[in-house]
Amino acid sequence: RKEVEQDPGPFNVPEGATVAFNCTYSNSASQSFFWYRQDCRKEPKLLMSVYSSGNEDGRFTAQLNRASQYISLLIRDSKLSDSATYLCVVKRGSQGNLIFGKGTKLSVKP
Amino acid sequence: DTAVSQTPKYLVTQMGNDKSIKCEQNLGHDTMYWYKQDSKKFLKIMFSYNNKELIINETVPNRFSPKSPDKAHLNLHINSLELGDSAVYFCASSRRVGGAGTDTQYFGPGTRLTVL
Repeated sequence: RKEVEQDPGPFNVPEGATVAFNCTYSNSASQSFFWYRQDCRKEPKLLMSVYSSGNEDGRFTAQLNRASQYISLLIRDSKLSDSATYLCVVKRGSQGNLIFGKGTKLSVKP
Repeated sequence: DTAVSQTPKYLVTQMGNDKSIKCEQNLGHDTMYWYKQDSKKFLKIMFSYNNKELIINETVPNRFSPKSPDKAHLNLHINSLELGDSAVYFCASSRRVGGAGTDTQYFGPGTRLTVL
């Protein structure tokens, strides 16, 4: 079993749709949680950190459930520019080792 | 004023050759990383250096040897290249390692290595 597992995707949605991505992690000692975004043939970039209390950044909302070892990302009012691969990332241990999920590809269509 | 830069961007070479990829960051970060993203798009940590000292060395063949001449540079040398080494290699840096901090890792643009 992979340490970080994500919805396989791809998600094809119309502009304006709300889309949710889910992620589970297996190591209960994981300390920090993130969503990264990777555009085609580009490097990953941090989208947002994920906190237990849940956090929101504009149209993006991230949730963490430590008991269930589950992380989610909600995107409201999807834009064409949201098309990318979304990577669920977990920081393992004190040495800052990031474990990446395989990513979920999102295509937003006009 | 690129934050994390890598050279070359593309590298095409024959099996058995030795090649190097260079990485530099101008963010003043203490920690640098090498990641490999294979054809299935899985991004995996290979190495991590903190202030020129190796702190993470995942299960990577010893044909791969990182070198950090100073904390702003982390180069990756690969000996006896194999077909399976074809991938995109990303360098990254962060302010610090350790603790429960959420320091962002900043990635370079990647080096697309193709071994023929």
